[in-house]
Amino acid sequence: NAGVTQTPKFRVLKTGQSMTLLCAQDMNHEYMYWYRQDPGMGLRLIHYSVGEGTTAKGEVPDGYNVSRLKKQNFLLGLESAAPSQTSVYFCASTFEGPSNNQPQHFGDGTRLSIL
Amino acid sequence: AQKITQTQPGMFVQEKEAVTLDCTYDTSDPSYGLFWYKQPSSGEMIFLIYQGSYDQQNATEGRYSLNFQKARKSANLVISASQLGDSAMYFCAMRGGDYGQNFVFGPGTRLSVLP
Repeated sequence: NAGVTQTPKFRVLKTGQSMTLLCAQDMNHEYMYWYRQDPGMGLRLIHYSVGEGTTAKGEVPDGYNVSRLKKQNFLLGLESAAPSQTSVYFCASTFEGPSNNQPQHFGDGTRLSIL
Repeated sequence: AQKITQTQPGMFVQEKEAVTLDCTYDTSDPSYGLFWYKQPSSGEMIFLIYQGSYDQQNATEGRYSLNFQKARKSANLVISASQLGDSAMYFCAMRGGDYGQNFVFGPGTRLSVLP
C-alpha cells in the first residue's frame, strides 16, 4: 500500500520556469492538501481540495495553482517560479468529515530550489 | 478561526526520562480533533496520537500519551522513557470546520534527547 506519493522528490528550477508537482493517494481519501515548510518552521497551507473537481485557497496561495481532476491526484503548479518559493512541499490526504478523528497522511515531501 | 500555540521552540531531555511538550489551542468549533505528529531529521511526517474533543479519557499509544485539559484548551504530549530516536520536531495539530476540512498546525517543538 503506497499511501501518499509525491513526485518528484527533488527539483532545481531557474527563476521564471514553471513546473507541476504531483500528489497521488491510493486510500480513497476525499480531502487533499498542499503545504510548504520553510527551514525551522511549521507547515503553511497553500491550497486544499474537499473532492474531485473542487479546490480552495489556504494561507499562502499566491504564486500557486492547483487542480483535482481525479479523486486520487492533486497537482500543484508554479507558473513562474521565484526564489521565495524555495521550500519543501508536502502533500497530505484524509477521509472526509465531519468526524474529526482521522489524521492526515503525508507524502515524503518535494524539496524544491529556485535559483 | 482555529489556532495552535506551541511555546517551546526547543526542549532537551535525558535519555530514559519523561518529557512533556506543550500545546494550547483556540477554536470556536464544538467538535474537533487534536493530533500530534513527529518529524525526524529525514523529513517525513509521522502521526503519533489522536484525542477527540468529546473523549473523556486521555489518549495513549505506547510511550506516548496526551494530557487533554479541555477547560484549559491544552493538549500536551507526554513521552515516557525517552529514547535517542525520539529526537525530532513535534507538531501539534487540530482538525475542525463544518465538514472537518480544516487542519491547523502549530510551529513545532524541537526535542533533543541526550545520552
